[in-house]
Amino acid sequence: AQSVTQLDSQVPVFEEAPVELRCNYSSSVSVYLFWYVQYPNQGLQLLLKYLSGSTLVKGINGFEAEFNKSQTSFHLRKPSVHISDTAEYFCAVRLSNFGNEKLTFGTGTRLTIIP
Amino acid sequence: DTGVSQNPRHKITKRGQNVTFRCDPISEHNRLYWYRQTLGQGPEFLTYFQNEAQLEKSRLLSDRFSAERPKGSFSTLEIQRTEQGDSAMYLCASSLEGLTTDTQYFGPGTRLTVL
Repeated sequence: AQSVTQLDSQVPVFEEAPVELRCNYSSSVSVYLFWYVQYPNQGLQLLLKYLSGSTLVKGINGFEAEFNKSQTSFHLRKPSVHISDTAEYFCAVRLSNFGNEKLTFGTGTRLTIIP
Repeated sequence: DTGVSQNPRHKITKRGQNVTFRCDPISEHNRLYWYRQTLGQGPEFLTYFQNEAQLEKSRLLSDRFSAERPKGSFSTLEIQRTEQGDSAMYLCASSLEGLTTDTQYFGPGTRLTVL
């Protein structure tokens, strides 16, 4: 079975500083990888996804992530954060086999931006 | 595109009562998913439908839980004889089956509190 580990439950960052949110996964077969963001009192919104091809994936709001197969990682980065980036961030994995539809999520990382 | 909607947004009930939640997916989406999110955790997969057919159910979905999607449009999730452990956010998502991995779009969720 697949699993996702988000190593940091909370990450405080000063405004305009860079940030990296870490995600590692475990799976015996190839996977698709996702990052979702959850703002307070809102549903999950897709930031970016990796399906195949280039290992560097760019998403919305200036975020990007890099797939590293040897490290089984998919870390999320942003070069300069804003107050509006304060939210909970979830990494998720889905098996690439046909018929596998469920997403398996990590426990989330709460990003707090310090003015 | 009005997004995925869920009703009610909040539900407070007494232990032992039955509750039903509704999810309306994005109109052209043929896949619909239910997840449960407890405090401090990521969403956990419960079940998913392709059109009217329920194709996968998690072991988390006990006999007290039942989900339906009778006409392949909206879906309902019913919990019978609620227990305090059922208190959680219930999330619905929908997607459109395509040639590449389809993105799951999430609704705002229904927060259930069992007293």
